[in-house]
Amino acid sequence: KQEVTQIPAALSVPEGENLVLNCSFTDSAIYNLQWFRQDPGKGLTSLLLIQSSQREQTSGRLNASLDKSSGRSTLYIAASQPGDSATYLCAVRLSGNQFYFGTGTSLTVIP
Amino acid sequence: GAVVSQHPSRVICKSGTSVKIECRSLDFQATTMFWYRQFPKQSLMLMATSNEGSKATYEQGVEKDKFLINHASLTLSTLTVTSAHPEDSSFYICSARETRGGGTGSSPLHFGNGTRLTVT
Repeated sequence: KQEVTQIPAALSVPEGENLVLNCSFTDSAIYNLQWFRQDPGKGLTSLLLIQSSQREQTSGRLNASLDKSSGRSTLYIAASQPGDSATYLCAVRLSGNQFYFGTGTSLTVIP
Repeated sequence: GAVVSQHPSRVICKSGTSVKIECRSLDFQATTMFWYRQFPKQSLMLMATSNEGSKATYEQGVEKDKFLINHASLTLSTLTVTSAHPEDSSFYICSARETRGGGTGSSPLHFGNGTRLTVT
């Protein structure tokens, strides 16, 4: 069974810092990996999708990398802003429709 | 961008009643939609896969007679929690993947804003 772990569970940084969120998974036979943002009490916003054949994806201040062989993905956030405060979730998809979510990293960016 | 609309956002109901949650893809077609449940401080857990025009596929441990799913069109899936109990109180989120051509499956998931269900 696929297990997805996110470290750290919570992170607090001052505004302007660059930061890295980590996601690890146990089964490297993934179809793709997706990073989401979840605001309190709300749904999920897709940030970046990395196919299994890709190494990284970038969108604005966000950069996500994927290393299938080691079962790891990172989400890099440059020049963090208070509006980035949210819970960040990674999810891996196997060849079927099953997605496995991590428990998330709660990020607080302090003004 | 692709938008998934989920309604209602919040619902409070009495124990024993049924609640229907709607999930619509507003500007794309989705032959497959997914329903998730999230308990406080826990991961999203897939409950079932909703397939347009056919029966839903439920994950192990999810009671299909309790959580009725209907996917009557390419843009609408509904989840009905029947005879709700307090332990069904949770955050329910639907998602849809845009059907492109033959449905490669490589397109991203788009999520609704979720429904907070409280059963008293």
